[in-house]
Amino acid sequence: LAKTTQPISMDSYEGQEVNITCSHNNIATNDYITWYQQFPSQGPRFIIQGYKTKVTNEVASLFIPADRKSSTLSLPRVSLSDTAVYYCLVGGGNNAGNMLTFGGGTRLMVKP
Amino acid sequence: EAGVTQFPSHSVIEKGQTVTLRCDPISGHDNLYWYRRVMGKEIKFLLHFVKESKQDESGMPNNRFLAERTGGTYSTLKVQPAELEDSGVYFCASSQELNTEVRSPLHFGNGTRLTVT
Repeated sequence: LAKTTQPISMDSYEGQEVNITCSHNNIATNDYITWYQQFPSQGPRFIIQGYKTKVTNEVASLFIPADRKSSTLSLPRVSLSDTAVYYCLVGGGNNAGNMLTFGGGTRLMVKP
Repeated sequence: EAGVTQFPSHSVIEKGQTVTLRCDPISGHDNLYWYRRVMGKEIKFLLHFVKESKQDESGMPNNRFLAERTGGTYSTLKVQPAELEDSGVYFCASSQELNTEVRSPLHFGNGTRLTVT
């Protein structure tokens, strides 16, 4: 399974755009890139998933360069409620199941 | 749509006792996973069911842990006998494979916090 590296923590202010970059140099050809958000005392919550190029949904965008060795989660205009831990995961490349490996995540602190 | 539910939310037991954790996946989800986070470390994979069959149990720490998913619906994770190092948060997740081209993300429950004293 591809190992991921992401910043341990980041600080931001309300209304700013936050970009969290994740490195996954050993990503396999059929691996997907998935980002999860986790609040204290809750389970991880799916944010966005992509394979290549750019994916956008109602809460975030995911930018993936052509070599797929990294990805960037972009959160537009963050609010205090976006304070959470964000995990970048790669995997799910086979039909036997999408077992994912969590790294340490990025602890995002949004300040007023 | 009801999410993944786990019971109990908290459990405090003494070393040597037995505890059974339950997970109800989202209805219709064939894939069910157990993960855990111990002592503030990273969330680690335990095992994966596809319906009632164990697809991968490579993450199970030892034979004190037994997971079942009879009938391919809910799953239980039993720890017997519990040890101090088993303390942590146990997460269950489920997903539905739509087809070979699309990866369905995992939907996690809020976990069971297990404390072994």
